[in-house]
Amino acid sequence: AQRVTQPEKLLSVFKGAPVELKCNYSYSGSPELFWYVQYSRQRLQLLLRHISRESIKGFTADLNKGETSFHLKKPFAQEEDSAMYYCALSLYNNNDMRFGAGTRLTVKP
Amino acid sequence: GAVVSQHPSWVICKSGTSVKIECRSLDFQATTMFWYRQFPKQSLMLMATSNEGSKATYEQGVEKDKFLINHASLTLSTLTVTSAHPEDSSFYICSARDRRAGLSYNEQFFGPGTRLTVL
Repeated sequence: AQRVTQPEKLLSVFKGAPVELKCNYSYSGSPELFWYVQYSRQRLQLLLRHISRESIKGFTADLNKGETSFHLKKPFAQEEDSAMYYCALSLYNNNDMRFGAGTRLTVKP
Repeated sequence: GAVVSQHPSWVICKSGTSVKIECRSLDFQATTMFWYRQFPKQSLMLMATSNEGSKATYEQGVEKDKFLINHASLTLSTLTVTSAHPEDSSFYICSARDRRAGLSYNEQFFGPGTRLTVL
């Protein structure tokens, strides 16, 4: 069965510091990986997906099939990045999406 | 675009009563809608996948007779918690997949969630 692991429940960095939110997955097929973000009192929203290979709000994530990882990175964290971040895995041609436990990022001034 | 609404946003009910939660895709048609449950400070747990015009597919451990799902149209899915008990108190979130997206595009658009408290 597919599984998504986010080892850090809490992550705190200072403004301007680099940040990396870890995500590892287990699945033998061809997964689609996503990062979702939930700001305070807002709904869950898509941040980025691996197939797009894009940078959103300064965040990037590279799918590493060898390490089965999809870590989220940003070189210079901002206070407005403080939120709950969820890594999610979806199977190609399948509706199911599995979420990691989430990492709460706090960016301190 | 791609807005999903839920109603009500919160509900308090007595133990033993049934509660219906609606999930609507406002500006797109959703072939598939999903229902999640989120406990405080925990992640989203998929409860069931709802396809328009057919029976919902429930995840292992989710009682289909307790959590009734109806997906009567391409823009509406409902979750009814029957004979609710305090342990059913939780945050219920729905999401929808845009019909136009095709099978290779799995983005889901999330509703704001419904907080259910059973006394």
